Amino acid sequence: EADIYQTPRYLVIGTGKKITLECSQTMGHDKMYWYQQDPGMELHLIHYSYGVNSTEKGDLSSESTVSRIRTEHFPLTLESARPSHTSQYLCASSESGIRGANVLTFGAGSRLTVL
Amino acid sequence: SQQGEEDPQALSIQEGENATMNCSYKTSINNLQWYRQNSGRGLVHLILIRSNEREKHSGRLRVTLDTSKKSSSLLITASRAADTASYFCATDGNDYKLSFGAGTTVTVRA
Repeated sequence: EADIYQTPRYLVIGTGKKITLECSQTMGHDKMYWYQQDPGMELHLIHYSYGVNSTEKGDLSSESTVSRIRTEHFPLTLESARPSHTSQYLCASSESGIRGANVLTFGAGSRLTVL
Repeated sequence: SQQGEEDPQALSIQEGENATMNCSYKTSINNLQWYRQNSGRGLVHLILIRSNEREKHSGRLRVTLDTSKKSSSLLITASRAADTASYFCATDGNDYKLSFGAGTTVTVRA
C-alpha cells in the first residue's frame, strides 16, 4: 500500500467548526495535491504544491486553505465548516518520472461530514 | 472543467468476461493514465500510455490511445471478483496536474 497517510479517515462535525485534514508522505515527493470527490462524481483538484512554500489553488474553487512548510506534510484547513463541505478529500503526491510522466500516489482519503 | 469523460458510467459483467471502458478528452495531452478506486479508498495507478504510443499492455490490462479522436480505452480480460471497482482515466497535459473524469463503476458477478 502507498506511503501516504491521511488522518482522520472519517470525521463528523458541526457547522462552524474549524477542521484540519492531515496528509503526510514518506516518499520524498516534491509535488502534492488535494482532490475533492463526491460519491459517483469526478475528482476535482482544489489545491496543489510543487514544493516547500509553494501552494496554488486548483481548478475547483474551495474555501479551504493549505500549507507546505515541510516536504512530507500538506495539511488542508477549513476555518468554518459548512454542510456544503461534506465530501471525500483525497491527498496525493508525485515526483516527475522518466521523460516527465507524473504518476500520482493517493492516500486512503478523509471522508468529512458536516452537520 | 474536467478533461476526461468515461463511458459507460457503470458496467456489470460475469466473472471471466472481458470489461471494456472508454475515455474521451478535449485538449492535447502528454500522456493518459488509468487508475482504480475500490469503494471508499484512494486511487491506485494502473497504467500509463504516452501520446506517441497506440497500445500498451500490463498483465490482464490493455490500453489503447487514439490521439486523433482524443480517446482511450481500457480492456480488462478474464475479469475476477477482485476487479470490482471504479476506474478513472486521467489526462496529463504536462503541467503536473492530472484531470480526472467521473469514472466507470465495474461490478464483476461471481
